[in-house]
Amino acid sequence: DTEVTQTPKHLVMGMTNKKSLKCEQHMGHRAMYWYKQKAKKPPELMFVYSYEKLSINESVPSRFSPECPNSSLLNLHLHALQPEDSALYLCASSQDGRLAGVGYEQYFGPGTRLTVT
Amino acid sequence: GNSVTQMEGPVTLSEEAFLTINCTYTATGYPSLFWYVQYPGEGLQLLLKATKADDKGSNKGFEATYRKETTSFHLEKGSVQVSDSAVYFCALSDEPRGAGSYQLTFGKGTKLSVIP
Repeated sequence: DTEVTQTPKHLVMGMTNKKSLKCEQHMGHRAMYWYKQKAKKPPELMFVYSYEKLSINESVPSRFSPECPNSSLLNLHLHALQPEDSALYLCASSQDGRLAGVGYEQYFGPGTRLTVT
Repeated sequence: GNSVTQMEGPVTLSEEAFLTINCTYTATGYPSLFWYVQYPGEGLQLLLKATKADDKGSNKGFEATYRKETTSFHLEKGSVQVSDSAVYFCALSDEPRGAGSYQLTFGKGTKLSVIP
């Protein structure tokens, strides 16, 4: 099973709202990632969690707040977003790349289409 | 730093035509190479991968060979179908970004449209 699930599929929120995106995987992966993808562009890395600890924050504004409650779950809390934050938000996971025979591939979820009004 | 260059398209082909999407890379180490596919309104799916020189990745009729001498990983399919219409991303991974996690460097993507 190589499935990463994300909820909700679509989200419309106002600039004063607080909402959360959820991501789940049951592949035993210990690295999880948040990406932002604008139309006709490749995904841009936002955050990386390794073994439930935040290891990378790619200078993302504080209105985006990630959380990793356990090894299977990843959340992205949203607050006071701007219209330019409208995008597809993708979650991904991967095995520990230090293990022998691992090709470092990441498995992506279907994404949450976010619209900020 | 690492980079991936791929033909940007869009590419329009008739059904059953031969497909090639070129991809070249620059990397400081010995990267793993990937092709991801994104169908309209969906996330990215891993299409195929190769982890060392001369490896051939293949899946669903698509193939790509890791060519270290030309730093290339071109995607090919002998006979495309309408259902292959999607955006294809070439990517590499070799930089550790924390305990066990690795960064993907993507190309800009190539949109493929297959017409009946």
